[in-house]
Amino acid sequence: AQSVTQLGSHVSVSEGALVLLRCNYSSSVPPYLFWYVQYPNQGLQLLLKYTSAATLVKGINGFEAEFKKSETSFHLTKPSAHMSDAAEYFCAVNTGNQFYFGTGTSLTVIP
Amino acid sequence: EPEVTQTPSHQVTQMGQEVILRCVPISNHLYFYWYRQILGQKVEFLVSFYNNEISEKSEIFDDQFSVERPDGSNFTLKIRSTKLEDSAMYFCASTSPRSGQGNEKLFFGSGTQLSVL
Repeated sequence: AQSVTQLGSHVSVSEGALVLLRCNYSSSVPPYLFWYVQYPNQGLQLLLKYTSAATLVKGINGFEAEFKKSETSFHLTKPSAHMSDAAEYFCAVNTGNQFYFGTGTSLTVIP
Repeated sequence: EPEVTQTPSHQVTQMGQEVILRCVPISNHLYFYWYRQILGQKVEFLVSFYNNEISEKSEIFDDQFSVERPDGSNFTLKIRSTKLEDSAMYFCASTSPRSGQGNEKLFFGSGTQLSVL
């Protein structure tokens, strides 16, 4: 069975500080991994995706994520948080035509 | 970038009533999905649809739910007799013809907030 686990339902960081949102996956086959962001009253937008081409994936808005097979992790990072980064972030795994989402992490950026 | 469109953005209904949530996927996409998100909970898969039939459904998608692509552009989710616990944000999504490899992203609509009273 495929699944993702996001540790920490709420994360708060100061503006300019490092953002680290954790995601661990479980998959019986090589996974495709995604991070989506949901701003208030909007749908989910793709931040970045891992498709086995490179373990370090760069996405939009300065976010990046590193695929670590040994740790079954795909944590999302950003060196310096901006107020506009405040949103809900979802990790997802896809092993075919089916996406499985984590429970989400709400990011708060403190001025 | 192309968009998935969902209407209405908010729907209020009485328990036991039927509702139809509407979606217009991106025009050249062939795989369509419905997800829901109960307030404060994760995004849950409901159903996937390909080649005019359901390809996969979750255990949430019981006999009260149905999907249809009536005219080649719209993709609808019908709930026959709504329950209080159906209150959630419902997201439609679609993906490109090359899907099946798992590496194509989903394009999501902005959702329909369903409130069952």
